[in-house]
Amino acid sequence: AQKITQTQPGMFVQEKEAVTLDCTYDTSDPSYGLFWYKQPSSGEMIFLIYQGSYDQQNATEGRYSLNFQKARKSANLVISASQLGDSAMYFCAMRGSTDSWGKFQFGAGTQVVVTP
Amino acid sequence: NAGVTQTPKFQVLKTGQSMTLQCAQDMNHNSMYWYRQDPGMGLRLIYYSASEGTTDKGEVPNGYNVSRLNKREFSLRLESAAPSQTSVYFCASSVGGTLRRDGYTFGSGTRLTVV
Repeated sequence: AQKITQTQPGMFVQEKEAVTLDCTYDTSDPSYGLFWYKQPSSGEMIFLIYQGSYDQQNATEGRYSLNFQKARKSANLVISASQLGDSAMYFCAMRGSTDSWGKFQFGAGTQVVVTP
Repeated sequence: NAGVTQTPKFQVLKTGQSMTLQCAQDMNHNSMYWYRQDPGMGLRLIYYSASEGTTDKGEVPNGYNVSRLNKREFSLRLESAAPSQTSVYFCASSVGGTLRRDGYTFGSGTRLTVV
């Protein structure tokens, strides 16, 4: 069985600072994908970044980067230069290679509040 | 715009009433999913459809039924609503397959309250 753990229910960060959101996972699948989604107060789910388990480099997408440590089974999201619009709930999710038809397992989420 | 359309956006039901949540995608995706989101629990899979004509149970299927009407549409039915089904429901779709880099495309969600 797969499991995603996000241990930070909520956090505050000042504008223009960087913030790291923790995500650890547990899987026995030989290969897997890790995803981060953002959910602003409006409720929609927005895809941010993807990391494949065999990718040689950590993923980056603009101000988002993924600190992937395979041996530790962690996939932390780093948001650089935080903006007020980054205030949202953030979900880590995983899809395993033996998961039929692309089902995702989601973490409980981390609520981020960016303050001026 | 291409994407996943979910209706309704809000609904209040009385205990015991039934309703169907509709979901349609126009991206020619093979797989479709229904999740519920509850505070502190993230998103949990209710049912999914790997491809047209197939449906399977997810993590929390009790109290729900689904229909994959065609490749575009995947509906979720609550036969006899209970207060425990108060939640935000998301429909999602994907091309399918296990190792693709593309994630889900989500609908905008349905906020359901059962009183």
